[in-house]
Amino acid sequence: DAGVIQSPRHEVTEMGQEVTLRCKPISGHDYLFWYRQTMMRGLELLIYFNNNVPIDDSGMPEDRFSAKMPNASFSTLKIQPSEPRDSAVYFCASSRGQGGSEKLFFGSGTQLSVL
Amino acid sequence: QKEVEQNSGPLSVPEGAIASLNCTYSDRVSQSFFWYRQYSGKSPELIMSIYSNGDKEDGRFTAQLNKASQYVSLLIRDSQPSDSATYLCAVRENNQGGKLIFGQGTELSVKP
Repeated sequence: DAGVIQSPRHEVTEMGQEVTLRCKPISGHDYLFWYRQTMMRGLELLIYFNNNVPIDDSGMPEDRFSAKMPNASFSTLKIQPSEPRDSAVYFCASSRGQGGSEKLFFGSGTQLSVL
Repeated sequence: QKEVEQNSGPLSVPEGAIASLNCTYSDRVSQSFFWYRQYSGKSPELIMSIYSNGDKEDGRFTAQLNKASQYVSLLIRDSQPSDSATYLCAVRENNQGGKLIFGQGTELSVKP
């Protein structure tokens, strides 16, 4: 299995532009998570899905952020409009089941820089 | 209010020594605890999980859990330079959502 696939690996954009991050989870995994990592705040959970349905989006910082999962093999995180404070590494992760023993498999992350 | 607390470090130990990493959590009913390792520029990877009070050993790694005191620790015996990384403590909330909350991580440096 190729693991969790994220694209792009790096994104540099200007303030005010729309940014779309993409994720393909591991086949058969029914949970998908979006995390954001910064030096100041560490690894923060933004939103997670179960069977393509958003379960908890309480970590989404504001209305500029939105996430979708149209099918079991694809999810997007969109920022519109982007701001410099959105600069961070965004990780997608997937797992099979929400039981306490299920580990998260992380993608390689997207390094976002908003100028 | 941060729910999972770790010392950010850096923690520096000589090669061959025992590295001790600590984590406290605020949700008393949490049931699942994890240690992830993250090398610089890479994504986190799971190295240990623990669910019951006491110790759990896996090779050079030992996870310790004390629910009464709400802390979990990770011991790395015979530390190697290749262990140099950031270690993230993660706690699964014991609610319907069961989301995984991470601490900020402790940076470990093992000196040859």
